[in-house]
Amino acid sequence: AQRVTQPEKLLSVFKGAPVELKCNYSYSGSPELFWYVQYSRQRLQLLLRHISRESIKGFTADLNKGETSFHLKKPFAQEEDSAMYYCALRNTGFQKLVFGTGTRLLVSP
Amino acid sequence: DVKVTQSSRYLVKRTGEKVFLECVQDMDHENMFWYRQDPGLGLRLIYFSYDVKMKEKGDIPEGYSVSREKKERFSLILESASTNQTSMYLCASSFEQGDQPQHFGDGTRLSIL
Repeated sequence: AQRVTQPEKLLSVFKGAPVELKCNYSYSGSPELFWYVQYSRQRLQLLLRHISRESIKGFTADLNKGETSFHLKKPFAQEEDSAMYYCALRNTGFQKLVFGTGTRLLVSP
Repeated sequence: DVKVTQSSRYLVKRTGEKVFLECVQDMDHENMFWYRQDPGLGLRLIYFSYDVKMKEKGDIPEGYSVSREKKERFSLILESASTNQTSMYLCASSFEQGDQPQHFGDGTRLSIL
């Protein structure tokens, strides 16, 4: 069965500190991995996806098939990064997403 | 810009009532989805639809049904609302093919008293 695990419910860091939000998945095929973000009082929106290999708002995520991980990283956190982050997995060729339970990132000044 | 609109931001209903949550998208997306979002549980898929009049059960369909009579509109129906259906409900839509992302609405916070 497909599963996405985000082990941290809350991650609290100071502004300027590095951030790593962990995401592990279980899936036997070739998954597509995504990070979605929800800022306070805003709708859930796509942050980045592994196939794009791009950096969005300073965040990057690398798919590690050996460790079945897709951790989200940013070298220097900003206060405006405070939000709820969800890792999600999709079976290639299908549209259903499986979400993790989310990690709340709190960046303090 | 993609617009997914949910008819109500907040809704309060009573146990046993039949409840309708409406969602409309303006991007001619084939796929539409209903999730519920609960603290500590993340987003869980209730139902989705990949075409008009087509629907498939998600992970937690019990107590819910859906309707898709037009491509742009996807309705979630609580046949007989219960208190354990108090939650935030999110609608999303996407194109059918490729690696297209899902676009979400603002959500409906539903309270069942």
